[in-house]
Amino acid sequence: GENVEQHPSTLSVQEGDSAVIKCTYSDSASNYFPWYKQELGKGPQLIIDIRSNVGEKKDQRIAVTLNKTAKHFSLHITETQPEDSAVYFCAAIVDRGSTLGRLYFGRGTQLTVWP
Amino acid sequence: EAGVTQSPTHLIKTRGQQATLRCSPISGHTSVYWYQQALGLGLQFLLWYDEGEERNRGNFPPRFSGRQFPNYSSELNVNALELEDSALYLCASRWGASTWGELFFGEGSRLTVL
Repeated sequence: GENVEQHPSTLSVQEGDSAVIKCTYSDSASNYFPWYKQELGKGPQLIIDIRSNVGEKKDQRIAVTLNKTAKHFSLHITETQPEDSAVYFCAAIVDRGSTLGRLYFGRGTQLTVWP
Repeated sequence: EAGVTQSPTHLIKTRGQQATLRCSPISGHTSVYWYQQALGLGLQFLLWYDEGEERNRGNFPPRFSGRQFPNYSSELNVNALELEDSALYLCASRWGASTWGELFFGEGSRLTVL
């Protein structure tokens, strides 16, 4: 099946700085890549997603880039704020056969934004 | 509108016992997913139900099972509990059987096996 690796596992930044989280995937057939944010005691919440036919997508301070050739995708958060502190998960889906409907998640990045 | 609700919030069991976790999806959502979130391991796919049918299951032993009811709510059963089953179990829902698009997660049920 698909294998998604995520780095770094922890990331500390000063308020106002940028944060970048990187993920790689193994199956070139993966075609959908969401990012989820999980705050303490809550379930994960989708913050942005990208499909394999798009190279970049932006939503205010958040952007995601996808490099299909290298099989990696990244989350970029600009002008970070303390409320951005959370665990971020990348994920990928290979929509075929036995993997239908199955999201493969990375192990998460604990982002801490210091005021 | 209510989000995905899960019960119980916390559950403590001993090895060999059975656990039942419940999930109510967002109104109108027909697909329910179960994920296991063990410490440091991210989210591992357990089961996917849509319209009352099991559509796919992850790489977990058969003692993990579940079902979806006619009102689209779902329950996850874990038999013969083992210590390594201790984890946060997350339920998520989505409208329809499309496998793209946002999954709406509940806050999870924390299972502790002693």
